[in-house]
Amino acid sequence: DSGVTQTPKHLITATGQRVTLRCSPRSGDLSVYWYQQSLDQGLQFLIQYYNGEERAKGNILERFSAQQFPDLHSELNLSSLELGDSALYFCASSVGTSEFTDTQYFGPGTRLTVL
Amino acid sequence: AQSVAQPEDQVNVAEGNPLTVKCTYSVSGNPYLFWYVQYPNRGLQFLLKYITGDNLVKGSYGFEAEFNKSQTSFHLKKPSAIVSDSALYFCAVRDGRSQGNLIFGKGTKLSVKP
Repeated sequence: DSGVTQTPKHLITATGQRVTLRCSPRSGDLSVYWYQQSLDQGLQFLIQYYNGEERAKGNILERFSAQQFPDLHSELNLSSLELGDSALYFCASSVGTSEFTDTQYFGPGTRLTVL
Repeated sequence: AQSVAQPEDQVNVAEGNPLTVKCTYSVSGNPYLFWYVQYPNRGLQFLLKYITGDNLVKGSYGFEAEFNKSQTSFHLKKPSAIVSDSALYFCAVRDGRSQGNLIFGKGTKLSVKP
């Protein structure tokens, strides 16, 4: 158990809908990262937050957004969902002392299925 | 651009034999390299990382990795494989431009047969 929690574990929804994925980082970790894992794209970085502020963006669609709250949990919002958004979404956290050397610890993921 | 390559989609090993999962990297600065393992329907578990220092890095579950700067490689190894090592293994490199996110290889499926 990495100490990173994600809810829900599974999410099934329809095209055009909006969903929110939630992540609680390990105790004491200030950085939160979101990744998407799909069969065709592999594991791709979406976005990073550090202590409530957006720090870096990757291949995140404009239909997707995220935030990190004062208690350091994070939410990833996916809107106008398309079939191609079906994937496993991972949250990872790290201490935030050194972004190059810190280890990222991953949550169990949320499997999103868009029908 | 930073990248990692895992040249083998699948590696098959007999239980008790040594295993190697290959990874090569391309970075513009200092390489920060990581190995993760993913079991079916589970998240990624951290195995080990190379930041600096000894070229042989020891990690969890008896795994180790050898950093080779001249060959730009970071191969994962274990002296004696067990059936429960069967999983998907990912090599990753830190992207210095984006302040710390990981860039992953496509993964190598390891199958250990009894």
